[in-house]
Amino acid sequence: IAGITQAPTSQILAAGRRMTLRCTQDMRHNAMYWYRQDLGLGLRLIHYSNTAGTTGKGEVPDGYSVSRANTDDFPLTLASAVPSQTSVYFCASSETGINTHEQFFGPGTRLTVL
Amino acid sequence: GQNIDQPTEMTATEGAIVQINCTYQTSGFNGLFWYQQHAGEAPTFLSYNVLDGLEEKGRFSSFLSRSKGYSYLLLKELQMKDSASYLCAEVDSNYQLIWGAGTKLIIKP
Repeated sequence: IAGITQAPTSQILAAGRRMTLRCTQDMRHNAMYWYRQDLGLGLRLIHYSNTAGTTGKGEVPDGYSVSRANTDDFPLTLASAVPSQTSVYFCASSETGINTHEQFFGPGTRLTVL
Repeated sequence: GQNIDQPTEMTATEGAIVQINCTYQTSGFNGLFWYQQHAGEAPTFLSYNVLDGLEEKGRFSSFLSRSKGYSYLLLKELQMKDSASYLCAEVDSNYQLIWGAGTKLIIKP
């Protein structure tokens, strides 16, 4: 692979279920991000990680958790999904976390919570 | 998006020129990005401005005025494939990205 991948591509999930969205990059980027994108709204940051072993909360972290055990992987977990978490989720990475470098985005995961 | 304003939708004609404006909060500014996002796809990087002036990259140019809190993306010789959403994002005082909601550009033949 070259770049950043996400899995699954799409998912329909019953409310209350636990779900992990996967994200992997092979660019050896230090920083990784999870966004959600909803119609009429800009990308909203859920969680981020500036380097392996560290994570931080973004604008809309409630109901989500992340881990960064190594440089390449940054999974996002919904502990107990709710319908308001229906969205398109994008993972992104960049060389550093100071955000003056471009971010590279994965193809997205379309999640529907019923 | 918080403190970022850009038009929701614009329409232009193939072969023409279009300017997409973005205004942002001026305090603690650390740069401004433009990204392109085709429907159903991921955003891709177009430009980054941190100093005043115009930066040209082929058919696309991006302009910044820090004193006015204003940027624009200029697309020349429009092609049908330029139909997409264009996202403006400011790097704030904490070096966090603040995203606009995007401008959907519709190109007509």
